[in-house]
Amino acid sequence: DSGVTQTPKHLITATGQRVTLRCSPRSGDLSVYWYQQSLDQGLQFLIQYYNGEERAKGNILERFSAQQFPDLHSELNLSSLELGDSALYFCASSARREAGNTIYFGEGSWLTVV
Amino acid sequence: GDSVTQMEGPVTLSEEAFLTINCTYTATGYPSLFWYVQYPGEGLQLLLKATKADDKGSNKGFEATYRKETTSFHLEKGSVQVSDSAVYFCALSDRDTGFQKLVFGTGTRLLVSP
Repeated sequence: DSGVTQTPKHLITATGQRVTLRCSPRSGDLSVYWYQQSLDQGLQFLIQYYNGEERAKGNILERFSAQQFPDLHSELNLSSLELGDSALYFCASSARREAGNTIYFGEGSWLTVV
Repeated sequence: GDSVTQMEGPVTLSEEAFLTINCTYTATGYPSLFWYVQYPGEGLQLLLKATKADDKGSNKGFEATYRKETTSFHLEKGSVQVSDSAVYFCALSDRDTGFQKLVFGTGTRLLVSP
């Protein structure tokens, strides 16, 4: 158990809909990351927050947004969903922002868009 | 940009065989290097890491040495078990960016038969 908690574990929704994925980082971790794992794209970095502020952005679509709240939990919002958004979405956290610091991953949220 | 290249899978071995999974990287700075493992139906777990040249990371019988001269971080295990069957991801985090994000390879599936 990494200590990173993600909900829901599985989600099936229709095209055009909007979903919210939730993440609780390890206790005390200030950095939260979101990654997408799909069969064709592999593991892609989406976005990083540090202590409530956005710090790095990767291959995140404009239809997607995220935020980190004062209690450090984070949400990833996916809207106008398309079939190609079906993937495993990982949240991860680390204690600090520096490179080399271990990043711990949750078990992921499986999103299926039908 | 930074990138990680892993050998194509699947790698199929018999129990007690020697394992090598090749990983090479391209980075502009001085990255930290990681191996993560994903067991079937589970999230990503950190297997081992190395933060500077010539460091050796080790865990659960797995080892990898940070080779700056060959830009490699090959994963090895002397005697694999059926329980090692999983997908293995090599990743780097470039410390020069300040705010780290992991760049992953495509993953290598390992299948170990009794």
